[in-house]
Amino acid sequence: EIVLTQSPVTLSVSPGERATLSCRASQGVDTSLAWFQQKPGQAPRLLIYGATTRATGIPARFTGTGSGTEFTLTISSLQSDDFAVYYCQQYSKWPSRTFGQGTKVEI
Amino acid sequence: EVQLVESGGGVVQPGGSVRLSCAASGFKFADFTMHWVRQSPGKGLEWIALITWDGKGTFYADSVKGRFTISRDNSQNTLFLRLTRVNSEDTAVYYCVKETTYWFFDYWGQGTLVTVSS
Repeated sequence: EIVLTQSPVTLSVSPGERATLSCRASQGVDTSLAWFQQKPGQAPRLLIYGATTRATGIPARFTGTGSGTEFTLTISSLQSDDFAVYYCQQYSKWPSRTFGQGTKVEI
Repeated sequence: EVQLVESGGGVVQPGGSVRLSCAASGFKFADFTMHWVRQSPGKGLEWIALITWDGKGTFYADSVKGRFTISRDNSQNTLFLRLTRVNSEDTAVYYCVKETTYWFFDYWGQGTLVTVSS
């Protein structure tokens, strides 16, 4: 099973600052990696797929980079609406689907 | 507009069973692989099962294999998850999730809460 490790567990950031979230895979997943945002009481929302492609309607301040085993989600200038938990997920090997444990971005 | 609406959650006794449903609309349901993902209170996301577009392929996480059954009715645009022999670790919000043709998830339902308690 491919294990995804996210860091940090919690990221404390001020509005307007940059946030950098990391996701490391235990084995290579090429670019078969997605990022999701989840707010309290809500379902996760797709932000990034294919490691770098923003989903429909996702603001340009969200950027995904990486391939293989190292991935990063960068939020260039945090807005109040961005404080949430972020999960990475790999979909490289059928039927395997695994999530990272999440990074909470807090004020 | 794509909509996934789960139902069927509630309180279930340890060792008991329950069937969850997910009503899909806004897309051609029969064309897509569908998944169930769960989230225990205060915890992260756990993928638990998928079913191929035609219902002929099903796969499960080890944590639920042999106890949960995923199925679908393409004529009714509905996805199901049958939970049996439940225990406290199965307490979670269960999400119905649509997969794209490129294998990533694009739409999630709002979830239905299953609480295992006597």
